[in-house]
Amino acid sequence: SQTIHQWPATLVQPVGSPLSLECTVEGTSNPNLYWYRQAAGRGLQLLFYSVGIGQISSEVPQNLSASRPQDRQFILSSKKLLLSDSGFYLCAWRSRTGTVNEKLFFGSGTQLSVL
Amino acid sequence: GESVGLHLPTLSVQEGDNSIINCAYSNSASDYFIWYKQESGKGPQFIIDIRSNMDKRQGQRVTVLLNKTVKHLSLQIAATQPGDSAVYFCAENTYSGAGSYQLTFGKGTKLSVIP
Repeated sequence: SQTIHQWPATLVQPVGSPLSLECTVEGTSNPNLYWYRQAAGRGLQLLFYSVGIGQISSEVPQNLSASRPQDRQFILSSKKLLLSDSGFYLCAWRSRTGTVNEKLFFGSGTQLSVL
Repeated sequence: GESVGLHLPTLSVQEGDNSIINCAYSNSASDYFIWYKQESGKGPQFIIDIRSNMDKRQGQRVTVLLNKTVKHLSLQIAATQPGDSAVYFCAENTYSGAGSYQLTFGKGTKLSVIP
């Protein structure tokens, strides 16, 4: 079966420090991969998605970047964190079979607090 | 559309009563819909889905209704339990070309179950 791993679960970082969140998927190949951010008590904001190695699409211009160095690895980074980067970050994957009814599966999330 | 900018609406339900959570979607071309449940501090979990060629689908204690005429989706939870307390998101799936589909999430509804 497929599983998605996301770490760390919580992170407290000072303003101006770098960030690296990692996500890996097991049990599938060629998945679509996604990074979402969720502010406290709010909805899901799509940040980045990737349809293949090295292919990154950004949905929102911001202080963050994403990379996909391997088929089942997706990394969210920042060179210098801002206070506004605080939030709950979710990685997700979806099978890329081209069929209509493909569910999105989420990781357990990373709670990032920038102080 | 991105699910940001507004605080989540809240629905309070007495334990044992039925809950109805509503969602309006935006794209008449959307062909697949999903409901997710997100408990505090966790990633969203799949509950139930429905294709656009259906107007009703039932799961265990949950029913999804789809009204394509008014672009409305609802999730009904029978005999609501304290464990149902969570934020519920609807998502619509739209074909975005080149064999790719994109999921767009609604703003979410917070369900609070009163014991």
